[in-house]
Parts: sequence; structure tokens; C-alpha cells
Amino acid sequence: EAGVTQSPTHLIKTRGQQATLRCSPISGHTSVYWYQQALGLGLQFLLWYDEGEERNRGNFPPRFSGRQFPNYSSELNVNALELEDSALYLCASSPTLFTDTQYFGPGTRLTVL
Amino acid sequence: SQKIEQNSEALNIQEGKTATLTCNYTNYSPAYLQWYRQDPGRGPVFLLLIRENEKEKRKERLKVTFDTTLKQSLFHITASQPADSATYLCALRSNDYKLSFGAGTTVTVRA
Repeated sequence: EAGVTQSPTHLIKTRGQQATLRCSPISGHTSVYWYQQALGLGLQFLLWYDEGEERNRGNFPPRFSGRQFPNYSSELNVNALELEDSALYLCASSPTLFTDTQYFGPGTRLTVL
Repeated sequence: SQKIEQNSEALNIQEGKTATLTCNYTNYSPAYLQWYRQDPGRGPVFLLLIRENEKEKRKERLKVTFDTTLKQSLFHITASQPADSATYLCALRSNDYKLSFGAGTTVTVRA
């Protein structure tokens, strides 16, 4: 069974640009979660989607947005990039919104110059 | 506010010894608690889930305890090996249903 996949592996942008990160959950999983992990810091919850709907959102500005597609894959968009957005962005999936365990992808390393 | 606190210091231990990690929480009433392992630059990997009615759970060389009165979980790695070197995260589901992670404890096992 394939795990959670994320693309791209690395992304380099300049301040003010937009970044789009993609995530494919494990087959059959309906819930997708996004986290930000800045260097040396803990996981900060960003967004949670299930069945195409946004279920919860962390304390991030509106320029962080996303969506979930009918095939349950997801996209995270970050507009007007700032230097402090540089981080590892992790996507996780779970079979349903009621399932406790999350399965993480390898992450996308976003660098903002 | 809800808070999850793990050992603030990194843990350095000799191979073969037992590593004990602590996770304390405030203002949660969790039905369960989870532990994950994270290697540098990688996503966390689920290790164990313990429910509120379970005092202890084991998986190979890992042991987790859960004391809802003390609001604490202990995570033990017995007969530690250099391959156990990683950051270990505890996680709880918060009141708004999202999974919140502690900052993690970094364990280094010396050969």
C-alpha cells in the first residue's frame, strides 16, 4: 500500500510569490491534514479537510489556504510569501475524520528567499 | 488554555539503557494519547496509542503508561539502540477535534 505522497520535495520561492504544495493521501483515506514545522520547532496545525470540506483551521493568516479534491488529494496554497514561511510542510491522512491515528508524508521543504 | 509539555531537555543515553520520556498535559480530557517518532527532515511515524482505560501498553521494546489523574504519559524505550535516536512526539486530540502535538523530546543513543 502506497503511503502519503507530497510534491514537490523542495520548493524555493522569493518573498511575495505564491506557493502551491500538493498531497495525495493513502488510498481510501478521506481526511487530510496540513502542518507547518519551522526549523527546530514543533508541528503547528494548519488545516484539516475531510470529504472535500474544511473541518478545522489553525491560527494562521488567511493567505494560507487549501482545498481537497473529489479524489481526496489536497493542495495547500500560501500567498504573499514571507521569509518566516520557510519551513517543512507536512501532510497527513487518516481513514475517516473519526480516526485517531495520522499517517504522514515526507513533507515539502519550502524556502523563501 | 490547552497545553502539552514534553521533556524540555534532549536525552542522551548509553546503548542498552532505558530511555524514559514524559508528556504532561493541561486542560485536556483525552480519551487517548498517541506517540510518534520523527527523524530529521521526515514526517512523524505513528508508534503507539493508549486509551484512558489502559494503564499500560507495549510494543516490542516500547512501553507507554497513561495516568489521567496525574495528566501524564510516560514513554519508555528499553534496551535502547543507536537506531532509536530520533525525536519522539506525544499527541492529544484537543477540544476542537484537531490533533495537537508536543514539541518533542530528542533522544540520542550512544553506542
